[in-house]
Amino acid sequence: GAGVSQSPSNKVTEKGKDVELRCDPISGHTALYWYRQRLGQGLEFLIYFQGNSAPDKSGLPSDRFSAERTGESVSTLTIQRTQQEDSAVYLCASSLVGRAGGLRETQYFGPGTRLLVL
Amino acid sequence: GDSVTQMEGPVTLSEEAFLTINCTYTATGYPSLFWYVQYPGEGLQLLLKATKADDKGSNKGFEATYRKETTSFHLEKGSVQVSDSAVYFCALSSTTSGTYKYIFGTGTRLKVLA
Repeated sequence: GAGVSQSPSNKVTEKGKDVELRCDPISGHTALYWYRQRLGQGLEFLIYFQGNSAPDKSGLPSDRFSAERTGESVSTLTIQRTQQEDSAVYLCASSLVGRAGGLRETQYFGPGTRLLVL
Repeated sequence: GDSVTQMEGPVTLSEEAFLTINCTYTATGYPSLFWYVQYPGEGLQLLLKATKADDKGSNKGFEATYRKETTSFHLEKGSVQVSDSAVYFCALSSTTSGTYKYIFGTGTRLKVLA
């Protein structure tokens, strides 16, 4: 596929359950980002992966949130013991990295996963 | 730390009106600046970008000029259309002390009335 894909597109879960969200970045993109967008609000940075470097987890809101990335491909965002305030659209984006490390690249966003915690 | 501030919405305009959405930033070094757009029911997509001072990004009739002296990147369009109704996000990317950041503003909702 040409773009970033995410699955599932929608997820309804019960409070206290764990959920796993998946992101497939554009092939060749070494940088991958997760964001959260609550209804009517802006983007909230969650986590950033860059190649084999340690991920920047500074945006994760609690230890219930974690993410992994396999090499430079698929990433999964896991939310344990979901709470109602976790309800949001979770967006994944990927971008290229310049050879000189100049990270001035456009982010390409997936369609998002809409999570509803009942 | 680095940040992006954009005007709060919603902004409601009549068709063919002039649009300005203000965006200012704080950053060390020399960030790149972006405007993203989110149309109803769709994902975010890049609208335009500028990578250095005095650069002008443009696309679909929208323009924004990277103003280092005022640390601004205001989005403008001379004549808006109903199809421009969307949420617009200003963003910057920067590298500080070897740490890369990509920061989005909170978004400005634009509604254009026929």
